[in-house]
Amino acid sequence: GAGVSQSPSNKVTEKGKDVELRCDPISGHTALYWYRQSLGQGLEFLIYFQGNSAPDKSGLPSDRFSAERTGGSVSTLTIQRTQQEDSAVYLCASSFRGQDGYTFGSGTRLTVV
Amino acid sequence: GENVEQHPSTLSVQEGDSAVIKCTYSDSASNYFPWYKQELGKRPQLIIDIRSNVGEKKDQRIAVTLNKTAKHFSLHITETQPEDSAVYFCAARDDYKLSFGAGTTVTVRA
Repeated sequence: GAGVSQSPSNKVTEKGKDVELRCDPISGHTALYWYRQSLGQGLEFLIYFQGNSAPDKSGLPSDRFSAERTGGSVSTLTIQRTQQEDSAVYLCASSFRGQDGYTFGSGTRLTVV
Repeated sequence: GENVEQHPSTLSVQEGDSAVIKCTYSDSASNYFPWYKQELGKRPQLIIDIRSNVGEKKDQRIAVTLNKTAKHFSLHITETQPEDSAVYFCAARDDYKLSFGAGTTVTVRA
C-alpha cells in the first residue's frame, strides 16, 4: 500500500481480555517494527521483523506479548490477559531492508479498563 | 545496545527565533541519524536525516549537524513558525533498529 496501515485505530478492552493489533506495511518493505508510546512518553522498541522472522524480540515486556508476521507482509501483535499498564499507543513502522528511516503507521490507541 | 539522550525536554521559543535540540549517542557503530516530528495525536514523521559520512545537512529552515568524534548531533530550526510546534525525536541506528531519544516538546509563541 501507499503507507503503513494499522487497525483498529482505537481499542478499549477489559482487563484480562486478549487483544490483536494489526499492521500492514508498505509494499516491498522487508523490515517491520513495533513500538509502544505511553502518554507523553518516548518510543519504546518492542520487536523487529525481517521478512517473516523476528531476530530481535528483546523489547517485548512480558510473555503476554507476542507477534507474528506472515507472507513477509502483515503483522499481528497479540497481548494476552491485558493489564492497565498495557494502555498506550502501539505504533508499527516499516523500512526498506532496515537500512533507512522508518515510515510509521497512525498507531492503535489501546485502553485497558 | 544504543542509548540516545536528548535535550532539552521542553523548549519554548518566540516566533521567528531559532530552536536547537541536541542528542548524544553511545554506540560508535551507529551510522544513521533521523529526526522525527510528531504533532499531537499524529504519527511521527521523518523530517530530516543524516548519515555518518556527512557532517551537516540542510533542508529549507531545518538543518542537522553531526559530530562523530563527540557522538552528538543536533537539529536546528530557523525562523520558527507556529506550525513548528510539536514533539521532536532524534534517533540513532546501529545495525537494523532505531533507538529514540525521549523527545523535545517545542512550543512556538506567537
